[in-house]
Amino acid sequence: DVKVTQSSRYLVKRTGEKVFLECVQDMDHENMFWYRQDPGLGLRLIYFSYDVKMKEKGDIPEGYSVSREKKERFSLILESASTNQTSMYLCASSQTGTGTFFGQGTRLTVV
Amino acid sequence: GQQVMQIPQYQHVQEGEDFTTYCNSSTTLSNIQWYKQRPGGHPVFLIQLVKSGEVKKQKRLTFQFGEAKKNSSLHITATQTTDVGTYFCWALGKLVFGAGTILRVKS
Repeated sequence: DVKVTQSSRYLVKRTGEKVFLECVQDMDHENMFWYRQDPGLGLRLIYFSYDVKMKEKGDIPEGYSVSREKKERFSLILESASTNQTSMYLCASSQTGTGTFFGQGTRLTVV
Repeated sequence: GQQVMQIPQYQHVQEGEDFTTYCNSSTTLSNIQWYKQRPGGHPVFLIQLVKSGEVKKQKRLTFQFGEAKKNSSLHITATQTTDVGTYFCWALGKLVFGAGTILRVKS
């Protein structure tokens, strides 16, 4: 089974802090994604990557950056956390032509 | 980004009733995927549809891709309480999720 692992299930950070959310997949997938999920807004794509060191902006990249130094790892960075970034963050990975596999999610609260 | 409209937003059915959720796009989709997210869980891949007019079945679930590849549906026959959750469609080519349909089942 494909496993997508997010480093934390729950995280509480202060406004202005730099926050790192880590995601690792174990199936050698090319594509990795970061989404945030909010009630009433569904899943919104923040960034995705289709190869090492490659990244593409999704629908809501403002306030976020990403890093993909190794194929299995895709990190989401909140440069200066704000309260409107309180959300559930979901990492996912896929190989072209297959389904997409999601991690368990990180519920981030910014206070 | 491109939008995929999903309806209804919410449906509450009696156990044993059927349920259908629809995804509609104004543009042609290369393919579409369906996911289920249980309350408190993460989205889980159900199926991918690629061909025009394609119909696939998984037990009580029937998935259809429209002839014009602009819409898709997921139909559940005789719902059970285990079907509770949110069902999302995902337009892979556009990396866009539908807003999801929340299904609640009364036993």
